[in-house]
Amino acid sequence: DVVMTQTPVSLPVSLGGQASISCRSSQSLVHSNGNTYLHWYLQKPGQSPQLLIYRVSNRFSGVPDRFSGSGSGTDFTLKISRVEPEDLGDYYCLQSTHFPFTFGSGTKLEIK
Amino acid sequence: QIQLVQSGPELKKPGESVKISCKASGYTFTDYAMHWVKQAPGKGLKWMGWINTYTGKPTYADDFKGRFVFSLEASASTANLQISNLKNEDTATYFCARSGLAVDYWGQGVMVTVSS
Repeated sequence: DVVMTQTPVSLPVSLGGQASISCRSSQSLVHSNGNTYLHWYLQKPGQSPQLLIYRVSNRFSGVPDRFSGSGSGTDFTLKISRVEPEDLGDYYCLQSTHFPFTFGSGTKLEIK
Repeated sequence: QIQLVQSGPELKKPGESVKISCKASGYTFTDYAMHWVKQAPGKGLKWMGWINTYTGKPTYADDFKGRFVFSLEASASTANLQISNLKNEDTATYFCARSGLAVDYWGQGVMVTVSS
């Protein structure tokens, strides 16, 4: 199985500040069709996960442009600028290039 | 709007079975596969597998082969997850989620508690 190593585990940030979360995969996430199936989710407390970024860098419908994704191959980053209270929660990366799909272990974004 | 509405919480004893449902609305059910994801209390997300909603063919991750069954009631736009011979370690929230641009829309989750 592809192991997704997500860091940091916990990320204290100031409101209005910037946050960066890393996700590294144990093998390349480039599919044979040329696409890279790496996605980012936010799970707010007591809620189901919500899709933020799909295929590395595409913002999902309704996601503010404060969220951006980048990376290639095995190394990916989610950046959140101008952090707002509604951004707090657990962030997960997910790879769906290889079976079985695998999630990162999560990053808790909290107020400093 | 696209919605996945799951059934209510369940309290079961070890050895019993449970069936949870996921009713989709706002899109053509058979156009998108449905994933199932497990989240144990205080833990992260684990992908269980998916079901092709057009053919009905399920695909299970290795840890979910044997006691777990994905099924459909396509006429009712509903996907189901049945777990048999429940164990304490099955205590978790189970999410259904649509396979669109990514695993895009999620149900609200069903808490299954297994306790004697």
